[in-house]
Amino acid sequence: DTGVSQNPRHKITKRGQNVTFRCDPISEHNRLYWYRQTLGQGPEFLTYFQNEAQLEKSRLLSDRFSAERPKGSFSTLEIQRTEQGDSAMYLCASSLDGEQYFGPGTRLTVT
Amino acid sequence: GQNIDQPTEMTATEGAIVQINCTYQTSGFNGLFWYQQHAGEAPTFLSYNVLDGLEEKGRFSSFLSRSKGYSYLLLKELQMKDSASYLCAVRALNTGGFKTIFGAGTRLFVKA
Repeated sequence: DTGVSQNPRHKITKRGQNVTFRCDPISEHNRLYWYRQTLGQGPEFLTYFQNEAQLEKSRLLSDRFSAERPKGSFSTLEIQRTEQGDSAMYLCASSLDGEQYFGPGTRLTVT
Repeated sequence: GQNIDQPTEMTATEGAIVQINCTYQTSGFNGLFWYQQHAGEAPTFLSYNVLDGLEEKGRFSSFLSRSKGYSYLLLKELQMKDSASYLCAVRALNTGGFKTIFGAGTRLFVKA
C-alpha cells in the first residue's frame, strides 16, 4: 500500500497525559499537513511542512502542540498535557503540488 | 482572514442533478478543491480549479469564478453512494507557504 498511513488509528488517554501520533506520507510527496476534525466540521488546519521545514502553523495551535518532520519523511504530532477538548480525529495529508491525499486519521479520546 | 461558506445539508433524489455552492474570502488565492468524505472515513479528492471556468470529470463538474469568490460542485446522475459530505477547500499562498482552509462541508443525502 503506497498511500498515507497513520499510527495509531485510535488512542484513548487520560487528561494530562502526553500523546504522539505518527504519519507516513506518500514517499515522493514533499508537502505534509496536519489537520484536526471534529464531528460535523471540516478539517481544521494545524500545521504544514515542505520537506523538513515547518512553514506554517495555525494560531489556534497552542504551545501544547508540536510537530516535527525529521529528514523530510515521516512526521510526528505531539500533544502535551492533553485536555478533553483535544478529543478529535487527527488527519495527516501529503501532496506534491495539487491535491492532498489523506491518511485514515488517528482518533483521540481524552477521558 | 479566510472564510468559506457552504450549505450545511442538501437532499436530492437518485438519478437527479445537484449543485453544491461554495463562497470564499481569502488573500493570496491559489486554487480551490472539492473533497468527498463518507462518514468515518478520510476526505478523498474530487476536483481542483485554479482558473475561472468549468472542470468536468465524469459525473462530477466544478466551476470557479475568482472575481466573485464563488465555486460550485455539480453532481449528475446521482447514486445512493454519493451520500456523503462535500468539502470545499481554498488554498492560499502566504509568506510562509501554502495553507489550505476547509469549509465545514455540505452533507448530501441521496434518497431513492
